[in-house]
Amino acid sequence: ETGVTQSPTHLIKTRGQQVTLRCSSQSGHNTVSWYQQALGQGPQFIFQYYREEENGRGNFPPRFSGLQFPNYSSELNVNALELDDSALYLCASSTGDDYNSPLHFGNGTRLTVT
Amino acid sequence: GQSLEQPSEVTAVEGAIVQINCTYQTSGFYGLSWYQQHDGGAPTFLSYNALDGLEETGRFSSFLSRSDSYGYLLLQELQMKDSASYFCAVLKAAGNKLTFGGGTRVLVKP
Repeated sequence: ETGVTQSPTHLIKTRGQQVTLRCSSQSGHNTVSWYQQALGQGPQFIFQYYREEENGRGNFPPRFSGLQFPNYSSELNVNALELDDSALYLCASSTGDDYNSPLHFGNGTRLTVT
Repeated sequence: GQSLEQPSEVTAVEGAIVQINCTYQTSGFYGLSWYQQHDGGAPTFLSYNALDGLEETGRFSSFLSRSDSYGYLLLQELQMKDSASYFCAVLKAAGNKLTFGGGTRVLVKP
């Protein structure tokens, strides 16, 4: 069983630019969630996808968007980057079979906006 | 609104017992999860409580009191490798959408 992998591991962008972060979920996991983790804080829920459809969204503006693909991969896109977007972005997959299925996190992408 | 409160940091020696408390205020509640995160690593699932009571998994146990909106994670026989951040997280609705607390950093000393 492969784990959750994210790319790139680190990224530096300039304010106003756009960024795409990628995630490959565990095989068989139909649900993928994205979280933002600022330094020293807990992860904050951005949104979730289930079978390629958005299935819930946290308190993040529309410039945060996502996609999920049939091959268990997904993307997080952020437009018009702001300095406060600097954080660790975590992808987490789960089977979705039970509402409390444990989340399997990737190691994250560390985004720095300058 | 919703909030989760947990201590920011706990220090203990090897072999000791540590209890990390978590109180929550939330509209809608399915259960309370705990995750461990080592520096530079991914959060990893430790436990989930949906019903009142104690769940034991090896050296780690988790407790929930729904009436008190309170839970705790108990770490026993502390080892150096237990030095990490521990997060409580509320499951508010079906679909694994978790709301995390700010985390408790546990430092284990020899």
